[in-house]
Amino acid sequence: EVQLVESGGGLVQPGGSLRLSCAASGFTFSSYTMTWVRHAPGKGLEYVSSINDRGSSTTYADSVKGRFTISRDNSKNMVYLQMNSLTADDTAVYYCAKTPPLAPFDYWGQGTLVTVSS
Amino acid sequence: DIQMTQSPSSLSASVGDRVTITCRASQGISNYLAWYQQKPGKVPILLIYGASTLQSGVPSRFSGSGSGTDFTLTIGSLQPEDVAVYYCQKYNTAPRTFGQGTKVEIK
Repeated sequence: EVQLVESGGGLVQPGGSLRLSCAASGFTFSSYTMTWVRHAPGKGLEYVSSINDRGSSTTYADSVKGRFTISRDNSKNMVYLQMNSLTADDTAVYYCAKTPPLAPFDYWGQGTLVTVSS
Repeated sequence: DIQMTQSPSSLSASVGDRVTITCRASQGISNYLAWYQQKPGKVPILLIYGASTLQSGVPSRFSGSGSGTDFTLTIGSLQPEDVAVYYCQKYNTAPRTFGQGTKVEIK
């Protein structure tokens, strides 16, 4: 059974940093691109970042470019999102999603809430 | 990057009505278009992929059409359980951009 479990969310002050983790199981993790998507309160779903299977290629939304860094550890079946210089606009539930090639997301985690507030 | 534009942003219709949501890509994406349904506090659910292929288990009142830049999601007969926000998403290349969402309510 495929499982994606996010962790690392919480309350952080503006300008602060947070690292999210996503633990994957039930599939050959090293064969898949992984993606982070967020859902801010009262707003729509937003693509955040993705990383290819080997970790050699990354993509970011303009809204997080230069502040967020996606990475993965295929030996641990983990994908990470390092978030720096956080603002209130980054407040959201963050989901990781298994990303098959040329196919929609087939599995999502349950999400982890990040709240940026003083 | 390719932008995805949905319309309308919200709609209110009666139970049994036919509901149509449109999604336009700023460049052609062939049929690499998915539709998701999201209810409050829940993970999005895949309804349609390949622009028109119904995901297993999704009621047949949902249908999708289109190719290239213009796409449509249709709910053939709106039901109370269809109250949700609907998103289109392109998935041919990264970034896999979403439309801004359409909130569907019952009148």
